[in-house]
Amino acid sequence: AQSVTQLDSQVPVFEEAPVELRCNYSSSVSVYLFWYVQYPNQGLQLLLKYLSGSTLVKGINGFEAEFNKSQTSFHLRKPSVHISDTAEYFCAVTDRGAQKLVFGQGTRLTINP
Amino acid sequence: DVKVTQSSRYLVKRTGEKVFLECVQDMDHENMFWYRQDPGLGLRLIYFSYDVKMKEKGDIPEGYSVSREKKERFSLILESASTNQTSMYLCASSLYDGSLSGANVLTFGAGSRLTVL
Repeated sequence: AQSVTQLDSQVPVFEEAPVELRCNYSSSVSVYLFWYVQYPNQGLQLLLKYLSGSTLVKGINGFEAEFNKSQTSFHLRKPSVHISDTAEYFCAVTDRGAQKLVFGQGTRLTINP
Repeated sequence: DVKVTQSSRYLVKRTGEKVFLECVQDMDHENMFWYRQDPGLGLRLIYFSYDVKMKEKGDIPEGYSVSREKKERFSLILESASTNQTSMYLCASSLYDGSLSGANVLTFGAGSRLTVL
């Protein structure tokens, strides 16, 4: 069964610093990969997704992620964070053709001024 | 512009009570999901439904049941609530496109925080 590991449960960074949130998944079978963000007291919303094609995917709010099939990773990056990026970030994966999304444990990103 | 609505944001129930969590979507999506969110565990799938009256167990279905009588509504039922079911419950929906369905984005509701005393 597919599984997702987010390697950091919490990531504190200073405002305007770069950040990387790490995500690894278990299977090298064809997959779709997603990052969702949850702002305080809200539901999850899509940040970006990888379906096929270019391994570098750009999302909303200046975030991007790189799909690395050999390392089964899909790390999320932003070159310069803002206070408004404070949220919990979830990596998710589904096998192609499947209906169910498997989520990681989440990474809480805290931005310090 | 609300697309997935969960009827209750906060509920407090007593052990042994029957609890209904309601979810309605207005996007004509075929797929609907109930997830449970706990700190350090992320989101875990309880049940999902790909059509009216159809349901499939997710990863943690024990202690829960679901009902989907109409396409837009998906209910989660706790037959006899227990303290270990205290959690945040998230409903989501997505389109069904056959083999491409896994590519479709989930739209989430704001969540229902349930406390069982």
